[in-house]
Amino acid sequence: GDSVTQMEGPVTLSEEAFLTINCTYTATGYPSLFWYVQYPGEGLQLLLKATKADDKGSNKGFEATYRKETTSFHLEKGSVQVSDSAVYFCALKVDYKLSFGAGTTVTVRA
Amino acid sequence: DAGVTQSPTHLIKTRGQQVTLRCSPKSGHDTVSWYQQALGQGPQFIFQYYEEEERQRGNFPDRFSGHQFPNYSSELNVNALLLGDSALYLCASSLGIQPQHFGDGTRLSIL
Repeated sequence: GDSVTQMEGPVTLSEEAFLTINCTYTATGYPSLFWYVQYPGEGLQLLLKATKADDKGSNKGFEATYRKETTSFHLEKGSVQVSDSAVYFCALKVDYKLSFGAGTTVTVRA
Repeated sequence: DAGVTQSPTHLIKTRGQQVTLRCSPKSGHDTVSWYQQALGQGPQFIFQYYEEEERQRGNFPDRFSGHQFPNYSSELNVNALLLGDSALYLCASSLGIQPQHFGDGTRLSIL
């Protein structure tokens, strides 16, 4: 079945450090790929998306590129801020269903 | 423009009871999906409703059922509650192939 594997956390960084969260997927069809972010006590917010191979999604300084050859969609940000502290979820969508990874908790220290 | 709204915010039930959770989709959206998020895990797809019918279902028992109303709002019903049903229940709405927008969830605790 469809599944997502993402880097285990927690990840702790200093402000202005570089962030990478690895995500790989297994899918039977041609999935769309997403990164969602969840702040404490809130629901999920869409961070970025890519719908086909080689697409790059970007938002708020975050980027991820849909790599079909390596079935990956790694999230990167060049300089994190304290406000980026959250749980990040990689997800894929085939047909109508979203399948999520387990989430990676990121804490950024001032 | 209101986003996805869910009620109640928190709920405490005992084993064997039944519960109904409610969701109003974002304005303009016609599709509602429900997810269960256990503590420390990613959301798991329960089912999706479109045109008042269940369009797709995840790996959840028949104790989980739902409904969509003509105004696109939706309910999630869970019967014969188990301790393992304790989780955050998330509703997401969408239109066509556009990404799903999530509500803040209902935190269900089973005693």
